[in-house]
Parts: sequence; C-alpha cells; structure tokens
Amino acid sequence: AQRVTQPEKLLSVFKGAPVELKCNYSYSGSPELFWYVQYSRQRLQLLLRHISRESIKGFTADLNKGETSFHLKKPFAQEEDSAMYYCALSGSGGSYIPTFGRGTSLIVHP
Amino acid sequence: EAGVTQSPTHLIKTRGQQATLRCSPISGHTSVYWYQQALGLGLQFLLWYDEGEERNRGNFPPRFSGRQFPNYSSELNVNALELEDSALYLCASSQDIPMGNTEAFFGQGTRLTVV
Repeated sequence: AQRVTQPEKLLSVFKGAPVELKCNYSYSGSPELFWYVQYSRQRLQLLLRHISRESIKGFTADLNKGETSFHLKKPFAQEEDSAMYYCALSGSGGSYIPTFGRGTSLIVHP
Repeated sequence: EAGVTQSPTHLIKTRGQQATLRCSPISGHTSVYWYQQALGLGLQFLLWYDEGEERNRGNFPPRFSGRQFPNYSSELNVNALELEDSALYLCASSQDIPMGNTEAFFGQGTRLTVV
C-alpha cells in the first residue's frame, strides 16, 4: 500500500524566513512524487514534481529514497506563499492512483 | 482550453437521499479520479475511471459508486446519504497513463452538505 505522511497540519513563519514542509512516503516500488498547492479560493494545482527537478516560485524538493522523504523547501518565504500544500505520490507498475497527504497549511506573516 | 469542470458547485441533500455529482475532464484526458476532501482529513481517494472502466476504488462503502461515459465525463453517485458524507468532492483528470508520471488537473469541486 502507498501512503503519504505530512506531519505538520500548520506551519507559521514570518516573511523572509526559510520554509520546510515535510513529507514522508511509504511505497514498495519506484514512486513519483509531487507537491500540489491550493491557494485561497482557487483549485488545487501542481506545484512541482520530483522527476523534473525544477524550482517553481522559489520552491524546491528533493527525493531522498533512503529516508523516503520529499520535503518542500524555500529559502525566503513570501506572504503570497500562504496556502495549503499537499504532498502526493503516484506509484508505477499499475498503481497510478495519486495518493495525497493530509496537507500542511502554510501561513506567512508580514 | 477549458479545465476540469464539476457540477453542481453546491448541493444540499437530506439524510437518506441520493446525490449525483458530475465531472467533465480536460479534452484528451481519459482518466478521471474522484476524491473526498473532508475537513482535516486531506484528500481521500474514492474512485478511478479510465477508458470507461472502474480501475480502482478507495476504502469507501458500496453506496459510493460512479461511472464514466464514452466522452470520458464521469458521475459520482452517493446513495443513502449520511451526515458524515458532507464534504468537498473533487474530480481530477489526467492523460492516458504512460509511465505513471502524470499530473492530475483538478476541478473546483462540489460542496455536498447533508442535513
């Protein structure tokens, strides 16, 4: 079974502070990991995926297979980063159902 | 290009009634996923349809069912509604699954309230 754990329900930081949203996963095969974001009154949308190894809006995430983690990081948080963040896993080999964590609410204070 | 559309936006039903939620995927997408987003529980996987077939279902009772039509649009039916079914129901679509590395595109959701 595949599982995604986001241990923090809420993360509150001040503008300019570093941010790290934690994500741990459980999957026996080779996973595809994603971060989705939901801004206030907007639909859930993809932020980034591990396979593309890109930085989106200053956010990066590295897949650590040894620690089965895919933490989302940003060196300097901005107020517009305030949103709900979901880590998701999509398995390979026939198990393509995106499985989501419970989400972390990020609040960036001015 | 139109995104994933869901209807209705809001739905209020009485306990014991049936609810029907609809989803139109992005053109060209054959896979449709349904999720329940209840407060504090994140997205719980409900159903996955691809090419008109139910491919998998989550840990929900049989009164949650659905179907996918030839044009790939989908319906989610919830029978014998219970108060705990009140939630935001999200539909997502993706392209045919090549290697599993597929982005899911979400609709705005249907807010179901059971009273």
